[in-house]
Amino acid sequence: DTEVTQTPKHLVMGMTNKKSLKCEQHMGHRAMYWYKQKAKKPPELMFVYSYEKLSINESVPSRFSPECPNSSLLNLHLHALQPEDSALYLCASSQAERNTIYFGEGSWLTVV
Amino acid sequence: QKEVEQNSGPLSVPEGAIASLNCTYSDRVSQSFFWYRQYSGKSPELIMSIYSNGDKEDGRFTAQLNKASQYVSLLIRDSQPSDSATYLCAAILFTRSNDYKLSFGAGTTVTVRA
Repeated sequence: DTEVTQTPKHLVMGMTNKKSLKCEQHMGHRAMYWYKQKAKKPPELMFVYSYEKLSINESVPSRFSPECPNSSLLNLHLHALQPEDSALYLCASSQAERNTIYFGEGSWLTVV
Repeated sequence: QKEVEQNSGPLSVPEGAIASLNCTYSDRVSQSFFWYRQYSGKSPELIMSIYSNGDKEDGRFTAQLNKASQYVSLLIRDSQPSDSATYLCAAILFTRSNDYKLSFGAGTTVTVRA
């Protein structure tokens, strides 16, 4: 079982809604990540947090807003999404950047 | 040129056979390489990491790394139907903005025929 926990597992939201995806890890890892994965494609990096500071933003649209309240938690705030944003959103963590990355089970997002 | 390239597959092997997956990468300074397995509808699961040239074995899985030729491979011995999945090769690469990020190949879908 993965030690990276994501909630909710499934989310359906309208284009005007505001929702959040949550991620938690208790492995003492100091780097946390958000990835987006579309069907039959590899995961695409969205954001990296290192020691609770945003380290990488892969030019993600502002309708996706990450937040790292502490070293164990990572949120992804969603607002005014488009249907093409429907995907599997993966949270991951590693001991530090450049170390082995472990994925959570993912949150399936459908935008209607 | 893609940063990490995999033989695209799909790959179909009979039960009990060896499945061979290959991957090449573009960054000569890469040090860390990974194989993830992803079942349909699930998240990627780490099955092997390799950092040094040579072979690394874990059960029925063997990863091989050749830094001079910039390739990494995965062998699955005695393939079982439960090995049917998409296998993602990944490498930590140095980016233009002086960051490191985990880059994935496109994935190879393996089907083990009973």
